Amino acid sequence: EPEVTQTPSHQVTQMGQEVILRCVPISNHLYFYWYRQILGQKVEFLVSFYNNEISEKSEIFDDQFSVERPDGSNFTLKIRSTKLEDSAMYFCASTKGQSTDTQYFGPGTRLTVL
Amino acid sequence: AQTVTQSQPEMSVQEAETVTLSCTYDTSENNYYLFWYKQPPSRQMILVIRQEAYKQQNATENRFSVNFQKAAKSFSLKISDSQLGDTAMYFCAFMKHDTGNQFYFGTGTSLTVIP
Repeated sequence: EPEVTQTPSHQVTQMGQEVILRCVPISNHLYFYWYRQILGQKVEFLVSFYNNEISEKSEIFDDQFSVERPDGSNFTLKIRSTKLEDSAMYFCASTKGQSTDTQYFGPGTRLTVL
Repeated sequence: AQTVTQSQPEMSVQEAETVTLSCTYDTSENNYYLFWYKQPPSRQMILVIRQEAYKQQNATENRFSVNFQKAAKSFSLKISDSQLGDTAMYFCAFMKHDTGNQFYFGTGTSLTVIP
């Protein structure tokens, strides 16, 4: 069964550095999402992406964050200048046809900012 | 704003027994979707069951069923004949019907099935 994949599984970075988290959504899916989960807290929505543009974003998704679909398969989340509070698990998800379809999640990338 | 509350951080159940995980939510929307996702240790979240708010009939998927009480804004998950592979973190989630974009998640319930 097709799965959403994410790399790396764990990323350690210094505060102020840029990181790029990568996701490969399921191949025939059209809607893509990023969520994050700070340890011990809820999974929080960051951004949704459709037709090569952001369709919705939360207040967490400020100017430090950006998303891109650089080719036909990858979907990336970039954090320009990481802060300690960006340490979290970041999940990518995708849906097939409509935005109300079930979201399929990747295994997550654990980001640790030192 | 939508909120989802899971009041049971941890639960355990004997193998083959039945367990119910609770979830309540708050919304002013009338049309929405509710989900239970399962996250096994070190694995990705996978969909367990989905309920459309306009459907009165409770969703069922094999050993998993829900008790959806729209007026009470309650959406509990019942797992029958619990198996060791059911050990996981379980997240309740809400999605609005109109945009259908973002999920609102609860904090999760960690379920352990005891042999």
